[in-house]
Amino acid sequence: DSGVTQTPKHLITATGQRVTLRCSPRSGDLSVYWYQQSLDQGLQFLIQYYNGEERAKGNILERFSAQQFPDLHSELNLSSLELGDSALYFCASSNTGAGNQPQHFGDGTRLSIL
Amino acid sequence: GQNIDQPTEMTATEGAIVQINCTYQTSGFNGLFWYQQHAGEAPTFLSYNVLDGLEEKGRFSSFLSRSKGYSYLLLKELQMKDSASYLCAVRDRSDYKLSFGAGTTVTVRA
Repeated sequence: DSGVTQTPKHLITATGQRVTLRCSPRSGDLSVYWYQQSLDQGLQFLIQYYNGEERAKGNILERFSAQQFPDLHSELNLSSLELGDSALYFCASSNTGAGNQPQHFGDGTRLSIL
Repeated sequence: GQNIDQPTEMTATEGAIVQINCTYQTSGFNGLFWYQQHAGEAPTFLSYNVLDGLEEKGRFSSFLSRSKGYSYLLLKELQMKDSASYLCAVRDRSDYKLSFGAGTTVTVRA
């Protein structure tokens, strides 16, 4: 158990809809990262937050947005969903993100778009 | 950004040794991580290298050469449970984000 909690574990919805994925980092971790993993692609970095502020942005679509709240939990919002958005979405956390601190991953949310 | 290359698949026999190579190109290197990921599960941290040389952790070792942009993960005394995808990830100095390779699927056969 990594200590990172993601909900829900599975989500099935239709094209055009909007969903929110939730992540609670490990106790004491200030940084939260979001990744997308499709069957034909590796882990793609989406966005990072550190102590409530956006720190780094990857290949995140404009239809996607995220935030980190004062209690350090984070939400990833996906809107106008398309079939190609079907993937495993992972959240990871680390203390600050520097040095030898690894990122610890949650179990992921499997999103299926019908 | 980073360009990270690792072999797609490797197969080895139980009890044997397998070496997974990773080459990378980066504008600002700030550490290399290896993760293990079983199908449908979360990646789990295996090792970290930031200085040149070998880091040993039980059956797993990882090596780094910064001048060559090269790392390898060595898995010894392979067990069936080691069948998984192994991900090489490089951290960028400017913003600490991790870029992952596509992963190497290792299959251990009896």
